Amino acid sequence: DTGVSQDPRHKITKRGQNVTFRCDPISEHNRLYWYRQTLGQGPEFLTYFQNEAQLEKSRLLSDRFSAERPKGSFSTLEIQRTEQGDSAMYLCASSPGDGLFDEKLFFGSGTQLSVL
Amino acid sequence: AQKITQTQPGMFVQEKEAVTLDCTYDTSDPSYGLFWYKQPSSGEMIFLIYQGSYDQQNATEGRYSLNFQKARKSANLVISASQLGDSAMYFCAMREGQMDSSYKLIFGSGTRLLVRP
Repeated sequence: DTGVSQDPRHKITKRGQNVTFRCDPISEHNRLYWYRQTLGQGPEFLTYFQNEAQLEKSRLLSDRFSAERPKGSFSTLEIQRTEQGDSAMYLCASSPGDGLFDEKLFFGSGTQLSVL
Repeated sequence: AQKITQTQPGMFVQEKEAVTLDCTYDTSDPSYGLFWYKQPSSGEMIFLIYQGSYDQQNATEGRYSLNFQKARKSANLVISASQLGDSAMYFCAMREGQMDSSYKLIFGSGTRLLVRP
C-alpha cells in the first residue's frame, strides 16, 4: 500500500493556460474522487469515478474542467483557460469500493495550483 | 443549507488536556456515516474516526472519541491528553446513504487546533 500519489505537488501557471494534474490511487481501489480546497476551507467535492465511469460531477465543475480515468486506474484532471479563481489545492482520494457508509477515503497530498 | 457545520474556526488547548471540537450535521437520510479527518500543515488528510448512524455506542480510536448525539445531530470529536503534534486543521465530514449513490464525503469548514506547550 503505497498511498495515493498526486503529481505535480505544485503548479504555477499564467491565466489562460491549460493545466493537467495526475492522480494514482491505491492499487485496486475502485472509487476515485477529486476535491478542491481553498485556504481556510474544507474540501469541496468535484467529481467521482467508479472504475472508469465518471458517475457524478459537481456544479462546481465548469465546462473548463474535465476529468478522466482511463482503464479505471490513474486519473487526470484538466483545467482549460485557467482563471485566478482556480487557484486552490486539488485533492485526489480513493477508496476500495466494497463498503458502504463506513468506507473511508484515502487522500493524496494534493496539487497546489497558483494562477497568476 | 450547510450539511456540516463547524462553528469553531480556531481553538487553543494546553498540552496534556482534553479538547472538544464541535460538529453538527443536517440530513433527512436515515442512513449516514460521520467522519473526522486531520489535516496537518503538510496538507494530507488523515482519517481519525468513524461513526455510523445506526451505531449504538460512541466510536473510540485511541485518544480520539466521538460524542454522537443523534437527536441533536451533533458529532463532536474529543481528543484526550493533547500532544503538540495534534496541532492541525480538523474536518468533520458526512456520507449520506440512501440519498447519495456516489459515496462522496461532504466536509465542514474545519477547526484549526493549536496545542500550547
